[in-house]
Amino acid sequence: KAGVTQTPRYLIKTRGQQVTLSCSPISGHRSVSWYQQTPGQGLQFLFEYFSETQRNKGNFPGRFSGRQFSNSRSEMNVSTLELGDSALYLCASSMSPSDTEAFFGQGTRLTVV
Amino acid sequence: ILNVEQSPQSLHVQEGDSTNFTCSFPSSNFYALHWYRWETAKSPEALFVMTLNGDEKKKGRISATLNTKEGYSYLYIKGSQPEDSATYLCAYMDSNYQLIWGAGTKLIIKP
Repeated sequence: KAGVTQTPRYLIKTRGQQVTLSCSPISGHRSVSWYQQTPGQGLQFLFEYFSETQRNKGNFPGRFSGRQFSNSRSEMNVSTLELGDSALYLCASSMSPSDTEAFFGQGTRLTVV
Repeated sequence: ILNVEQSPQSLHVQEGDSTNFTCSFPSSNFYALHWYRWETAKSPEALFVMTLNGDEKKKGRISATLNTKEGYSYLYIKGSQPEDSATYLCAYMDSNYQLIWGAGTKLIIKP
């Protein structure tokens, strides 16, 4: 079956702009989580969605937001981009929040200049 | 604040040698401990999920143990091969099913 698909793979934006990243989970998976990874850091949790509802949110400013659609696809948006937002953004899907295995997409590499 | 610590941060191992590294996590509200392997230019892939104290899991040359009372897990690789080069991530899942990730151990196998 198709894996987790993230688009776009690479993105360059300038400071102050906003960006929207997309994640299509594995068919049948209803839980989607988003992570930010910067050099030397572990995966920093952004938010988790299940059945179109945000279940958990990480410690990120309000510029970071997300949503999930009825087909379980999810988007995350970052407004007023800062240089420090340059990172790899990963999404992971699972059947449900308690499912102990998550499957990751290949990520979106965002560069803010 | 809950922290998951992995050590060492990076490791260089000669091909054929065995190695191990550690993941420390909170011992409270434990639900599961995950190990993932993340190869360069690929997505993280699940290696093991462990839920019970004393669990041991094995996949080929890689194995893992779990101690939930003291909050640590070890990952062992026997007879390291170049294809084992990757970053190994562990993640603690609490009783609310929230995952907290360690920063990873970067393993480099020298031929």
